[in-house]
Amino acid sequence: EPEVTQTPSHQVTQMGQEVILRCVPISNHLYFYWYRQILGQKVEFLVSFYNNEISEKSEIFDDQFSVERPDGSNFTLKIRSTKLEDSAMYFCASRDRAQPQHFGDGTRLSIL
Amino acid sequence: SQQGEEDPQALSIQEGENATMNCSYKTSINNLQWYRQNSGRGLVHLILIRSNEREKHSGRLRVTLDTSKKSSSLLITASRAADTASYFCATDAGDTGRRALTFGSGTRLQVQP
Repeated sequence: EPEVTQTPSHQVTQMGQEVILRCVPISNHLYFYWYRQILGQKVEFLVSFYNNEISEKSEIFDDQFSVERPDGSNFTLKIRSTKLEDSAMYFCASRDRAQPQHFGDGTRLSIL
Repeated sequence: SQQGEEDPQALSIQEGENATMNCSYKTSINNLQWYRQNSGRGLVHLILIRSNEREKHSGRLRVTLDTSKKSSSLLITASRAADTASYFCATDAGDTGRRALTFGSGTRLQVQP
């Protein structure tokens, strides 16, 4: 069964540095998402992306964050000038025209 | 309570018993979904129930939805040790073009062999 893949599985970064989290959605899917889950807390929506543009973003997704689909297969989340509170699991998801969303295994981001 | 709140927060049962988890939400929804998360892993979709449905089955899973009470339940019958995981409900509020999911805080299920 096709799946969403995310790399790296674990990213350790110094505070203030930039990180790029990578996702390869399922190939025929059209809608892409990023969520995050701070340890012990709920999964929170960050941003949705369709037709090469952001379709919705949450209050969390401020100017520090950006997303890009640089080619036909990758979907990236960039976090500039990372802060300690950015430490979390970041999940990518994709879907076709119908639900449900299919999630990757996540990238654990640790900011030191 | 917040959108998508589950109870109980934690549930421990013996293998073979049934497990019931509940979810409440606040806004009107397009559909409600249940996901499972094994420790350190991603979210696996289990079942989706639309707002015009009241009950749905998938294998050992049974989901009910009561839109008048804004609540849903997930029943896992004849539980197995492999069912040990966290279970989350997620609502799709159905705003045009949105389709982002709002997750609850989850129920941690422990099935003792």
